[in-house]
Amino acid sequence: AQSVAQPEDQVNVAEGNPLTVKCTYSVSGNPYLFWYVQYPNRGLQFLLKYITGDNLVKGSYGFEAEFNKSQTSFHLKKPSALVSDSALYFCAVRDGGGATNKLIFGTGTLLAVQP
Amino acid sequence: ETGVTQTPRHLVMGMTNKKSLKCEQHLGHNAMYWYKQSAKKPLELMFVYSLEERVENNSVPSRFSPECPNSSHLFLHLHTLQPEDSALYLCASSQDFPAHYGYTFGSGTRLTVV
Repeated sequence: AQSVAQPEDQVNVAEGNPLTVKCTYSVSGNPYLFWYVQYPNRGLQFLLKYITGDNLVKGSYGFEAEFNKSQTSFHLKKPSALVSDSALYFCAVRDGGGATNKLIFGTGTLLAVQP
Repeated sequence: ETGVTQTPRHLVMGMTNKKSLKCEQHLGHNAMYWYKQSAKKPLELMFVYSLEERVENNSVPSRFSPECPNSSHLFLHLHTLQPEDSALYLCASSQDFPAHYGYTFGSGTRLTVV
């Protein structure tokens, strides 16, 4: 069965420093991987996705993610964090089983950027 | 605005009340989903509809009753809820194919059961 793990409940980083939010996955075939962000009392917003091709994917708000097949990872990164990046981040992988395009979500990582 | 609209944004209801949550999308998607998000818990997938047919029901109590009258609308009917049902209820829509299509989420309904 497909699964995704976010090993950190919370990541703290100072404004201006680089940030990384970790994600590892498990799928039987080729993965389709996604990152979403959630601000308080809002729905999840799409940030970026990996389908195929270049292992470095660029997304919204200056975020990028690196697909590493050998380590089955898809870590989210940003070179310089902003206080406004503070939010809950979800990694997701597409579940190849079932009748629909079902995404499997991680448990989320709270990113706190200190001024 | 993401293209998926949920109403109401906030709802307070008593345990004996009956209410409904509404979700609407005009993105041309053919699949719709209900998720429950409780504090300090993972996202819980409740129901999945594809082409207006319910294709998944993840052991959700019968006090939650979904309805999908057409591909643009999804409802969650609520009755005799419990305080532990208080949560943020999220609706999402997508296309079944291509397989790499992501979800578009609504802003959610914050439900409080008193």
